[in-house]
Amino acid sequence: DAKTTQPPSMDCAEGRAANLPCNHSTISGNEYVYWYRQIHSQGPQYIIHGLKNNETNEMASLIITEDRKSSTLILPHATLRDTAVYYCIVRVPKFLSGNTPLVFGKGTRLSVIA
Amino acid sequence: NAGVTQTPKFRILKIGQSMTLQCTQDMNHNYMYWYRQDPGMGLKLIYYSVGAGITDKGEVPNGYNVSRSTTEDFPLRLELAAPSQTSVYFCASSSGRQLSTNEKLFFGSGTQLSVL
Repeated sequence: DAKTTQPPSMDCAEGRAANLPCNHSTISGNEYVYWYRQIHSQGPQYIIHGLKNNETNEMASLIITEDRKSSTLILPHATLRDTAVYYCIVRVPKFLSGNTPLVFGKGTRLSVIA
Repeated sequence: NAGVTQTPKFRILKIGQSMTLQCTQDMNHNYMYWYRQDPGMGLKLIYYSVGAGITDKGEVPNGYNVSRSTTEDFPLRLELAAPSQTSVYFCASSSGRQLSTNEKLFFGSGTQLSVL
């Protein structure tokens, strides 16, 4: 699986968009980008995933650059409840990887400030 | 819908004691996982299972054992507890649908374990 690089921490003002970057310069053609978040002391929560097209759901938007070497998770109107550690994971889907599980790095600690 | 249920939520063990962390899911998921998370660190995979009767080691399996006799249950056993096993333990599950790109894991609320 490709390695990812995320900033260790970020701040965002409440109500503003939070843009969380992730670098994955060694990503291969069949690897997807997955985002999870972990709110303090809880288990991680799935947010979104994508291959090369931009994706949006009720939680966030995922923007992947054309060369796929980096991506940005966007929380359009951050609230205090979005304060969490955000994990960017790059890997092939289970059915292509021999069912190997997801591996979580250290992520980005996002603090939403009132 | 209960999802993934872990028990106990908190436990203090003495060095050398044994215990089993329980995990059960009611979503008929094939895949189940055990992760541990040390303070300020990311999650590390201990063991996982792709179905009843099948288990495999993750990154940090030493000192732990698992079994998967049913689809629903995936207990984690600590045989001789050591201070290095002080951590928060998370159980997770995911569906085994073929050809799916969705790696959506459902996590339990965690077990905070201290070994003193």
